Amino acid sequence: EPEVTQTPSHQVTQMGQEVILRCVPISNHLYFYWYRQILGQKVEFLVSFYNNEISEKSEIFDDQFSVERPDGSNFTLKIRSTKLEDSAMYFCASSEHRRWGGQPQHFGDGTRLSIL
Amino acid sequence: ELKVEQNPLFLSMQEGKNYTIYCNYSTTSDRLYWYRQDPGKSLESLFVLLSNGAVKQEGRLMASLDTKARLSTLHITAAVHDLSATYFCAVVNFGNEKLTFGTGTRLTIIP
Repeated sequence: EPEVTQTPSHQVTQMGQEVILRCVPISNHLYFYWYRQILGQKVEFLVSFYNNEISEKSEIFDDQFSVERPDGSNFTLKIRSTKLEDSAMYFCASSEHRRWGGQPQHFGDGTRLSIL
Repeated sequence: ELKVEQNPLFLSMQEGKNYTIYCNYSTTSDRLYWYRQDPGKSLESLFVLLSNGAVKQEGRLMASLDTKARLSTLHITAAVHDLSATYFCAVVNFGNEKLTFGTGTRLTIIP
């Protein structure tokens, strides 16, 4: 079964450094998402992306965050200058259809980001 | 702002027993999802509920949706140890695609 893949599985970075998290969504999916989960808490939406542009973003997704689809397969999340509070598990997700059929979003295994 | 609440937050139950997890949400929605998460792992889609009165079943799990009450339930029948995990409901608002997750219910099945 096709799956969303994320790399790296664990990223350790010094505060203030830039970090790029990478995702390969399922190949025929058109909608891409980033979520994060701080340890022991619920999953929070960051951003959705469709047709090479951001379709929605949350308050968490400030100017330090950006997303990009640099080629036909990768989808990246960049944090420009990391803070301690950015430490979390970051999940990439993709879905096939926006509304029709209620297709679920399929999640990758996540990247655990630790800011020192 | 859409709010999604689950209860209980923690549930410890014996094998063979039945129990229900509740998911309440605050504004009208047209889709509700249930996901399972094992410790340190990703989110696995369990059910998609699209309409009032929808009921879906898979093995020992059954999910239902009451859009008028803004309530979904996840019922566990004759629990087995393999069902130990955290279960999240997630709701989508009309007009956007983001999932708003509930707080999660950490389910522990005791032999």
